[in-house]
Amino acid sequence: QSVLTQPPSVSAAPGQEVTISCSGSSSNIGNTYVSWYQQLPGTAPKLLIYETNQRPSGIPDRFSGSTSGTSATLGITGLQTGDEAHYYCGAWDSSLSGVVFGGGTKLTVL
Amino acid sequence: QVPLQQWGAGLLKSSETLSLTCAVHRGSFRGYFWTWIRQSPGKGLEWIGEIDHSGTTNYNPSLKNRVTMSEDTSKNQFSLNLTSVTAADTAVYYCARKVSSIDDRNTWFDPWGQGTLVTVSS
Repeated sequence: QSVLTQPPSVSAAPGQEVTISCSGSSSNIGNTYVSWYQQLPGTAPKLLIYETNQRPSGIPDRFSGSTSGTSATLGITGLQTGDEAHYYCGAWDSSLSGVVFGGGTKLTVL
Repeated sequence: QVPLQQWGAGLLKSSETLSLTCAVHRGSFRGYFWTWIRQSPGKGLEWIGEIDHSGTTNYNPSLKNRVTMSEDTSKNQFSLNLTSVTAADTAVYYCARKVSSIDDRNTWFDPWGQGTLVTVSS
């Protein structure tokens, strides 16, 4: 059971927009920054968003992040078939004194 | 070369010790914490622990009694040992560089190693 809660799956059509939620608590998301990772099939996770809403070099602005209270959201616009992947949120947890992750959300682009 | 390259035994028997090593090929070894993260089959990610260039470590409390991390700054490498493994330790293990603020409230991992599948059989 992951500390951060994500929906197991989301789906949308190409060109559409989708959001993925990540729910935590005051010991993590409510008091820290959030990062997001994209894991394509058979590959290692790749940093997608850091510092809650910042994109590393090379990540298109179709990807965005935000937080509200103890929840975080990853938004993806202009969906492409290449976006099909698992997405994970992560945040520092002051109770654990370590990083906790969500269970991952599988994005299907129909 | 890839930024992080990892290796180690992929098949273990219960009670044996898991040993993995990760080489940092690009960027500075100093100034960062170097991390191990695992992903059990069909499940999410679990932070195992971290080590910096001076040997300072932090471990996940759930694994603390079985985990040891070490570093070799002369080779820009760091290692993970996990003792007394069971089937529950079967997972893909990743090494990664931790980037963070001084108080860790702003933390992320980039880049990641390619991953090593470790299977524990009884």
